[in-house]
Amino acid sequence: AQSVSQHNHHVILSEAASLELGCNYSYGGTVNLFWYVQYPGQHLQLLLKYFSGDPLVKGIKGFEAEFIKSKFSFNLRKPSVQWSDTAEYFCAVMGGGSYIPTFGRGTSLIVHP
Amino acid sequence: NAGVTQTPKFQVLKTGQSMTLQCAQDMNHEYMSWYRQDPGMGLRLIHYSVGAGITDQGEVPNGYNVSRSTTEDFPLRLLSAAPSQTSVYFCASSYADRTGELFFGEGSRLTVL
Repeated sequence: AQSVSQHNHHVILSEAASLELGCNYSYGGTVNLFWYVQYPGQHLQLLLKYFSGDPLVKGIKGFEAEFIKSKFSFNLRKPSVQWSDTAEYFCAVMGGGSYIPTFGRGTSLIVHP
Repeated sequence: NAGVTQTPKFQVLKTGQSMTLQCAQDMNHEYMSWYRQDPGMGLRLIHYSVGAGITDQGEVPNGYNVSRSTTEDFPLRLLSAAPSQTSVYFCASSYADRTGELFFGEGSRLTVL
């Protein structure tokens, strides 16, 4: 069975700091990878996704993620965070022909103004 | 577009009571699912469906029933509520392929006393 690990459970940053959230998965075959964001009091929405091609994918609001197959990783980055980026971030993986994603436990990001 | 609609948004139950969380989507998605979200546990899959008349269990199915009589609707039933079922519940839908992102409802916050 596939699994997803998000190593940072809570991250606190000041505005303009750089962000990197880790995501590692355990599945050796072809994978589709996603990052979802949940703003306070809201539902989850897609931030970005990777299916194939350029391993560096860009999403909404200046976020990007890099797929490194050899490291089974799909880390999320943003060069300069804003207070409005305060949210919970979830990594998700689809692998093995399944279209049912497996989610990580999430990372809570707090950005101080 | 309405997207994924969940009702009710909030519900308080007493132990042993039953209730149904409603979920409807208007995007003609084949795949629908229910998750529960608990602090530090991320999203855990309860039940899912890949089409009308087809349902299957996820990671935490005990205490919950589902049915899928139409493409649009996927209700979640709690037969005899327990305090351990206090949680936020999300319904999600997607096309049944590996490129599909999940579209989430706004969530239902359930408290069982």
